[in-house]
Amino acid sequence: NAGVTQTPKFRILKIGQSMTLQCAQDMNHNYMYWYRQDPGMGLKLIYYSVGAGITDKGEVPNGYNVSRSTTEDFPLRLELAAPSQTSVYFCASRDRGGYEKLFFGSGTQLSVL
Amino acid sequence: GQQLNQSPQSMFIQEGEDVSMNCTSSSIFNTWLWYKQDPGEGPVLLIALYKAGELTSNGRLTAQFGITRKDSFLNISASIPSDVGIYFCAGQLGGSNYKLTFGKGTLLTVNP
Repeated sequence: NAGVTQTPKFRILKIGQSMTLQCAQDMNHNYMYWYRQDPGMGLKLIYYSVGAGITDKGEVPNGYNVSRSTTEDFPLRLELAAPSQTSVYFCASRDRGGYEKLFFGSGTQLSVL
Repeated sequence: GQQLNQSPQSMFIQEGEDVSMNCTSSSIFNTWLWYKQDPGEGPVLLIALYKAGELTSNGRLTAQFGITRKDSFLNISASIPSDVGIYFCAGQLGGSNYKLTFGKGTLLTVNP
């Protein structure tokens, strides 16, 4: 059972470039989340989704976009990358009943130079 | 947004020592969670607390949901080298659409 899978593991972008961070889960979870983790700052919620076709903004959505066309996949799109988006990105999912028990992926370390 | 104040920010201890860390908030939380993050990995849930005053153990780990519902602590007894990592508290506010608020983490280093 793979759980939550994130790709790529590492990526370096130039300022102004775009990219998509991939996230897939095989647990049939309805809820999926994207967080960013900056050193010493904990986890900040970027976007979340409560099911296919439904997404909503978290605390720090600016500069990002998401889509949820299937239950399994929840990609995060960065348009016009900026140095402030240098961070470690985590995708997470949970089922409907266990709302507080998030399963996290192993993260994508992104540097924007 | 809501903030959780997690302390200490970091700890450096000797193997075998006990460890205590805590989280406080000015807001009332319905649920308190403690996660551990190993280097290069995502956080993994250690303990979940659902009721004020609740005391829950998971092996050498013990966590409590504060009576005021505004704080929680985590104790680790007889630390071992594999306890190294970042420990996060997280809380769920009532009416928050099931979004969690995370503390900034406690970096634990265990010297063998």
